[in-house]
Amino acid sequence: DTGVSQDPRHKITKRGQNVTFRCDPISEHNRLYWYRQTLGQGPEFLTYFQNEAQLEKSRLLSDRFSAERPKGSFSTLEIQRTEQGDSAMYLCASRGEMNTEAFFGQGTRLTVV
Amino acid sequence: QQPVQSPQAVILREGEDAVINCSSSKALYSVHWYRQKHGEAPVFLMILLKGGEQKGHDKISASFNEKKQQSSLYLTASQLSYSGTYFCGTGEDDKIIFGKGTRLHILP
Repeated sequence: DTGVSQDPRHKITKRGQNVTFRCDPISEHNRLYWYRQTLGQGPEFLTYFQNEAQLEKSRLLSDRFSAERPKGSFSTLEIQRTEQGDSAMYLCASRGEMNTEAFFGQGTRLTVV
Repeated sequence: QQPVQSPQAVILREGEDAVINCSSSKALYSVHWYRQKHGEAPVFLMILLKGGEQKGHDKISASFNEKKQQSSLYLTASQLSYSGTYFCGTGEDDKIIFGKGTRLHILP
């Protein structure tokens, strides 16, 4: 198993454009999490899935953000009409059961110019 | 609600000890500790599930005081490889809520 992989690793986009990121979790993990991290801060929870069901979305999350996990395997995170404040590292993590180790991907660094 | 970590930053010389604290205003059901090196993903250190539990491997250990709603991470005889940012996370409804982190820098 190669761990959690994210694509792309870096994305530069113009303000107002839409972007989509992909996360491939560890294959046997049914839980998948998206976090956002800015410089000097801890990972901030965005949303999570158990299999294909999106069970929770942060109340702080703008409706410009949407995530899917159509077949309970990979997940996508889309940001519509990007703003400069969306610039951050977007991290994906997966785990098999609650209260077990979460494995993080290398992240996608988004820069909105 | 985000757990609070202290101190925000620590500078040590190799071989010295450090303690990082994590506290929550809400009841704690589990505490997760991760380390992140610059430009890398957070890496799991340990998880504590019960009040009074203590865990450790190598020279890094942690304790969980459920009544005080806090956990502490202990690094003894620090090595250069311990440098990085340490995050505690609290388990909440099947997700992990992370603190802002404690930056640890080890000098040779």
